[in-house]
Amino acid sequence: GAVVSQHPSWVICKSGTSVKIECRSLDFQATTMFWYRQFPKQSLMLMATSNEGSKATYEQGVEKDKFLINHASLTLSTLTVTSAHPEDSSFYICSARESRGYNEQFFGPGTRLTVL
Amino acid sequence: QKEVEQDPGPLSVPEGAIVSLNCTYSNSAFQYFMWYRQYSRKGPELLMYTYSSGNKEDGRFTAQVDKSSKYISLFIRDSQPSDSATYLCAMTTGGFKTIFGAGTRLFVKA
Repeated sequence: GAVVSQHPSWVICKSGTSVKIECRSLDFQATTMFWYRQFPKQSLMLMATSNEGSKATYEQGVEKDKFLINHASLTLSTLTVTSAHPEDSSFYICSARESRGYNEQFFGPGTRLTVL
Repeated sequence: QKEVEQDPGPLSVPEGAIVSLNCTYSNSAFQYFMWYRQYSRKGPELLMYTYSSGNKEDGRFTAQVDKSSKYISLFIRDSQPSDSATYLCAMTTGGFKTIFGAGTRLFVKA
C-alpha cells in the first residue's frame, strides 16, 4: 500500500522558535497533500490543502503566516510552525492523495509538537 | 447540521463480538466512502474504500453503503483486543476535500 512518512515524529521546542515538519510520499506521487491538526480525543481538523507547485489553500481560522506550507515536489510537503507558542502544541498529521485521481488519502504517522 | 455524523462512543464490546460502526451524512453528492482506523498517537490507517452502494468485504471487515438512506457502516467480525482504536468514517464528492466523521472509540475487552 501507499506509504507516507513524517519527520520528525516528535519535537519539543522553546516558545518563539520555528519548527519544520516534513511529509513525504515514499512510493507514489502525490499531487495533493493535506495537513491536519488533532487535539487529544478529538477528530482531525483540516488546516490546509496543498497542490504541488502552487500556494496552499488554508481553512478558515488557520493563520497562513503562522503555518507555512510548501509543496515543492510530488513527494514532499513541509509545514513550518513559525514563532511557536504553547497553544500550538498538538499532533500534526499529513496525508497525501495519489496523482492518478484516486480519492483515498494516505496518512503519515503524525508529529507530536510540544512548545515549552 | 454537520455534513457527517458519527457517534464518538466509546463503544465497549467483549472479544469475539460483532461490532457495528455507523455514519450518516447529509450531502447526496458524496460518492466515495472510506473507513480509517487510528491507534492512539498514530496517524489514521485506511481500512476500506468504497464508491457504490452495497457491501464490500475484506477479511473480518465489511463496509456497507446505503446511498438512498445516506448511511454507511463498518462491521468487524470476531473482534479482537487489537481492534481497539478510533474508527473514522470519511467521504468525498471526488473533489479535493474529504469530510471526516468525529471518530468512534472502540474498546474490545479480552
